[in-house]
Amino acid sequence: NAGVTQTPKFRVLKTGQSMTLLCAQDMNHEYMYWYRQDPGMGLRLIHYSVGEGTTAKGEVPDGYNVSRLKKQNFLLGLESAAPSQTSVYFCASSSRTGWDQPQHFGDGTRLSIL
Amino acid sequence: AQSVAQPEDQVNVAEGNPLTVKCTYSVSGNPYLFWYVQYPNRGLQFLLKYITGDNLVKGSYGFEAEFNKSQTSFHLKKPSALVSDSALYFCVMDTGRRALTFGSGTRLQVQP
Repeated sequence: NAGVTQTPKFRVLKTGQSMTLLCAQDMNHEYMYWYRQDPGMGLRLIHYSVGEGTTAKGEVPDGYNVSRLKKQNFLLGLESAAPSQTSVYFCASSSRTGWDQPQHFGDGTRLSIL
Repeated sequence: AQSVAQPEDQVNVAEGNPLTVKCTYSVSGNPYLFWYVQYPNRGLQFLLKYITGDNLVKGSYGFEAEFNKSQTSFHLKKPSALVSDSALYFCVMDTGRRALTFGSGTRLQVQP
C-alpha cells in the first residue's frame, strides 16, 4: 500500500508564482488535511476536508486554497506565493468510522519561496 | 483555549536507560491525546493514543504513555531506550473536529 503520497517532494518558487501541491491516498479515507510545519512550532492545520466536494478552513488558511474533487485527492494551491509560505507541507488522511483513528501522513513537500 | 505544551526542546538519554518525554495539555472537556514520531525527511507516524479508560496506554515500538488528569499531563515513556528511537516526538490533541492540535515537538537523542 502506498498510503498517502505527496507530489512534488521539493519545489523552489519565486515570489508571486503559483503552484499546486497534490495529495493522493489509497485507503478510501473520508477525511483529508493539509498542514504546514515550521521550526519550533509543530504542525499547523491549513485546510481540511470531511468528504468529497467539501473543504473547511483550519488554523492558518490565508494565502491557500484547496479542492477535493475526488475522494482520493486533496489539492493545495498557492495563488501568489510569498516568502512567509516557505515551509514543509504535510498531507494526512483518516477514516470517518472511529473518530479516534490516527491520521496517516505523507512524507512532505519542502517548498522554498525566494 | 485548547493547547498542548512540550516543555523540553530536546531530551538526551543513554541507550538502555529509561526515557520520558513530557507533555501537558489544556482543554475544556475530555481530551483525546496522541503521540506521533517523525524521523528525518519523513511524515509523522502514529505511536499511541488515549481516549478513555486505562491511564497507562501501550503503543508501538515498546512505548507507553501515562495519562494524568489531575496534572493534565500525558508523558511518553519507554523502559529501555534504543539508538533507533532518536527522532522528533509530537504530543497531539484532537480538538473534536478530527483536526489535531500539535505540541512544538521534542527531539529525542539516544546516545550509544
